[in-house]
Amino acid sequence: GENVEQHPSTLSVQEGDSAVIKCTYSDSASNYFPWYKQELGKGPQLIIDIRSNVGEKKDQRIAVTLNKTAKHFSLHITETQPEDSAVYFCAATLNYGGSQGNLIFGKGTKLSVKP
Amino acid sequence: GAVVSQHPSRVICKSGTSVKIECRSLDFQATTMFWYRQFPKQSLMLMATSNEGSKATYEQGVEKDKFLINHASLTLSTLTVTSAHPEDSSFYICSALSGEGRNTIYFGEGSWLTVV
Repeated sequence: GENVEQHPSTLSVQEGDSAVIKCTYSDSASNYFPWYKQELGKGPQLIIDIRSNVGEKKDQRIAVTLNKTAKHFSLHITETQPEDSAVYFCAATLNYGGSQGNLIFGKGTKLSVKP
Repeated sequence: GAVVSQHPSRVICKSGTSVKIECRSLDFQATTMFWYRQFPKQSLMLMATSNEGSKATYEQGVEKDKFLINHASLTLSTLTVTSAHPEDSSFYICSALSGEGRNTIYFGEGSWLTVV
């Protein structure tokens, strides 16, 4: 089955700096890779996702890159702000047609942005 | 974006009683919903996959008779924790698959269950 590794487990950056979180996956059949942001006591919020037919996707200050050959994908947050502080989870799954494989999550990265 | 609503957000129940948590997709139909459990400072653990009109598929180690899942409509799935014990206290989160061309998964806000 799929296994997702996420690094680092904690990340502290200064406001305005960039933050990068990396994930690797084991199942080459996986083709959908979402990223979620979870604030304390709340459910995960989808912030960006990427499918295996593209290598990069960007949405304002957030970008995700995917390297299918190496089976790793990364989240990039630029110009970080204190409100970016949260736990971020990567996930991978096989997504085909009208069906959806189970999301396999990484262990999470606690991002702290210091003002 | 798509909205998934969970209710209640917090519930306290006595040991031995049952409690029901609802998960609703508010602006899309979800043929598949997922139930997760999350312990403090840990990742989400998938408990079961719920498909509308059929029995849920439980992950290994999850007691199907204790965690009853019903997915009676395309917008509602329920999780009932039966004969709750203090060790069942946790954060329970549902998610729903939006199949509107993109197969994206959206999460509810979660439900804190405390069994006393």
